[in-house]
Amino acid sequence: DVKVTQSSRYLVKRTGEKVFLECVQDMDHENMFWYRQDPGLGLRLIYFSYDVKMKEKGDIPEGYSVSREKKERFSLILESASTNQTSMYLCASSLTVLEKQAFFGQGTRLTVV
Amino acid sequence: AQKITQTQPGMFVQEKEAVTLDCTYDTSDPSYGLFWYKQPSSGEMIFLIYQGSYDQQNATEGRYSLNFQKARKSANLVISASQLGDSAMYFCAMREGRGFQKLVFGTGTRLLVSP
Repeated sequence: DVKVTQSSRYLVKRTGEKVFLECVQDMDHENMFWYRQDPGLGLRLIYFSYDVKMKEKGDIPEGYSVSREKKERFSLILESASTNQTSMYLCASSLTVLEKQAFFGQGTRLTVV
Repeated sequence: AQKITQTQPGMFVQEKEAVTLDCTYDTSDPSYGLFWYKQPSSGEMIFLIYQGSYDQQNATEGRYSLNFQKARKSANLVISASQLGDSAMYFCAMREGRGFQKLVFGTGTRLLVSP
């Protein structure tokens, strides 16, 4: 069974804290993605990675960075958390084959207070 | 520019009826793939159906079919014989063939199926 696992289901952090969201996949997928989901805005792509140590900005990268040191792990970093980063964060992975769907983690609901 | 547009924030349908969820897309790449995902209240993202830009036939998966109109750049999801369990958010998404194949989503449509 394919699996994308996000390290936390719920997270509460204080403004200004450095926050790490971890995502691990066991399917040997090349591509990994981080999205945030907000009501009325759908899923917006923050960053994605198509290989180890490779990353590309998505549509809303400001305030975020990522790390991919190993193929199976893709980390999203909030350098200094702010209240407007309170959101649901979804990680996904996929093969580099156009017709293959992405598989999603269960999501992390982050609240910044 | 918005690559995927879902213009229906919410849709209502009665059980056993068919419903169409709209999706239009924007790309200049001749090679692309279109996906639909379902997100129930539990939050998981469930893949429903895929349509490739070169596919001659419209994709079908059980009660789901994709009405693909390439010239109009639309990829509407049709759910036949709606069930109460179909109540969920539905997202249209696209991958483009050139480059890094990033996957982009629309804003979603909330479907409510009533008895």
